Amino acid sequence: GDSVTQMEGPVTLSEEAFLTINCTYTATGYPSLFWYVQYPGEGLQLLLKATKADDKGSNKGFEATYRKETTSFHLEKGSVQVSDSAVYFCALSGYNKLIFGAGTRLAVHP
Amino acid sequence: GAGVSQSPRYKVAKRGQDVALRCDPISGHVSLFWYQQALGQGPEFLTYFQNEAQLDKSGLPSDRFFAERPEGSVSTLKIQRTQQEDSAVYLCASSLVPWSSGANVLTFGAGSRLTVL
Repeated sequence: GDSVTQMEGPVTLSEEAFLTINCTYTATGYPSLFWYVQYPGEGLQLLLKATKADDKGSNKGFEATYRKETTSFHLEKGSVQVSDSAVYFCALSGYNKLIFGAGTRLAVHP
Repeated sequence: GAGVSQSPRYKVAKRGQDVALRCDPISGHVSLFWYQQALGQGPEFLTYFQNEAQLDKSGLPSDRFFAERPEGSVSTLKIQRTQQEDSAVYLCASSLVPWSSGANVLTFGAGSRLTVL
């Protein structure tokens, strides 16, 4: 069945460092791909999405490109801030549902 | 309302008790989903409603879990005879359009954290 695999965390970075969180997927058909972010005590929030191959989603300095040939959707940010500390979830659109990865915790230190 | 509202935010139950978790989706949202999120894991799909119709309940882990949305707005997830393995955060999400439309953007509530002792 469809599935999402994310790199394990936690990822610990200093402020202004470059961020990459890897995400690969397995799917039949052509799903849309998403990154959601979960801040402590809050619900998941959509960070960005891409609906077809080679699309780039971007928001708040974060980017991810839908790579069909490598079945990947890696999340990147050029310069992280302390306020980016959260759990990040990669997801794909399956039949009647979003399918999530296990999440990657990011901790950014001053 | 402005967002998806869930209640209670925290629930402690003794093993064997029944619990009911409530979700108020964004007004007018057609699609409603329930997910279960165990500690340190990603959300796992439980069930999907389009208006009042439960179109998919393939993720419900056992017949102790039951969900309803009788008027196509508020939804309740009921867990009977709770077990320790039911301890998790239960997330509700809604979307303006049917899932089949392809828009696929969900707005999540903050969740209800259930602890079964």
